[in-house]
Amino acid sequence: GGIITQTPKFLIGQEGQKLTLKCQQNFNHDTMYWYRQDSGKGLRLIYYSITENDLQKGDLSEGYDASREKKSSFSLTVTSAQKNEMAVFLCASSRDWGNNYAEQFFGPGTRLTVL
Amino acid sequence: GMPVEQNPPALSLYEGADSGLRCNFSTTMKSVQWFQQNHRGRLITLFYLAQGTKENGRLKSTFNSKERYSTLHIKDAQLEDSGTYFCAAANYGNEKITFGAGTKLTIKP
Repeated sequence: GGIITQTPKFLIGQEGQKLTLKCQQNFNHDTMYWYRQDSGKGLRLIYYSITENDLQKGDLSEGYDASREKKSSFSLTVTSAQKNEMAVFLCASSRDWGNNYAEQFFGPGTRLTVL
Repeated sequence: GMPVEQNPPALSLYEGADSGLRCNFSTTMKSVQWFQQNHRGRLITLFYLAQGTKENGRLKSTFNSKERYSTLHIKDAQLEDSGTYFCAAANYGNEKITFGAGTKLTIKP
């Protein structure tokens, strides 16, 4: 078994601020993902990474940067927080895409509020 | 159209009822995962399928890649089944996973 942790659990920022969210997994999974979920909506892929130092854009990458510093960690930066923005950011990992195994495991989320 | 279409968007059932949710795909997908999102927002994996059918207690899921759909059946619905259910499908050729918009399920006593 393993676990995915996300920090912080709650993040409050100011308009225009640069904010960083962190994700760690101890599954030894290759691929990691960042999603955004707005209230009452589905998940939208922001960035993903298939291995250490790799970065791939998702459908919602504008306004975000990401960094896969090592296999176990994947961070997401909101480059300029938008006023009244509220969303939950979910991190996930999956084992081995190359061998066709794509089951995702999710962290508990970081809830962002921008004042 | 959307790569993953999930229906219905909302569903209300009485305790003890049976029902099903469905995801249709615009293209051939290599696997599908079904999640329940609880009131705390936590995503709980129900099934991961590369083909065929899986059952777990009162839940059963089928994935037919060739026919481009997946279903989730709930038998004898219980109050704790309330929540939002998502399907998520993995594309061939890249590592992207696309989520459906979700089905909000409410179980009434």
